[in-house]
Amino acid sequence: DVKVTQSSRYLVKRTGEKVFLECVQDMDHENMFWYRQDPGLGLRLIYFSYDVKMKEKGDIPEGYSVSREKKERFSLILESASTNQTSMYLCAGGLGEKLFFGSGTQLSVL
Amino acid sequence: KNQVEQSPQSLIILEGKNCTLQCNYTVSPFSNLRWYKQDTGRGPVSLTIMTFSENTKSNGRYTATLDADTKQSSLHITASQLSDSASYICVVSALTGGGNKLTFGTGTQLKVEL
Repeated sequence: DVKVTQSSRYLVKRTGEKVFLECVQDMDHENMFWYRQDPGLGLRLIYFSYDVKMKEKGDIPEGYSVSREKKERFSLILESASTNQTSMYLCAGGLGEKLFFGSGTQLSVL
Repeated sequence: KNQVEQSPQSLIILEGKNCTLQCNYTVSPFSNLRWYKQDTGRGPVSLTIMTFSENTKSNGRYTATLDADTKQSSLHITASQLSDSASYICVVSALTGGGNKLTFGTGTQLKVEL
């Protein structure tokens, strides 16, 4: 099975800090995604990437950026964290029609 | 606007009982429908993927049905176990010019009790 690993399970940051969320996948596949999950809302797509150095905005990209320097690594960047970015962040790798999710990073911005 | 609605929002059942979760969607053009299981504090894990031509698909004690005419799907869990306690998420894929676009439901929170 494909494995998608997110480096942190829990993070606590202060307003205005620059935050990096890291995601690594062990499949040799191009597609990677960042979602956020909030209570009462379905997963919402922030950014995705279909290849190295390629990125596309999802539905809610404002306040976020991404980096894909290597095929296996897809990083989500919060340039200046705000309290409304407190959320569960899920990284996923795509293989055909299947998405494989990481365990998620619960980010709290104080 | 593409939407996926799941019901009920939450459900409590006794171990060993069966249950059925519902998913209604207005996604177009339809590509496929997926059910995911998400344990607390974990990422979602795929249970089934169904295309337009598939009416039923099983994965162990999980059976998903799809009625593409009425745009409804259900997930039936047989002989529930404590480990079935989780959130079950319905995801519908629309085929767009830029590839598949996913719309996620908000999930049904299932709790299985002794």
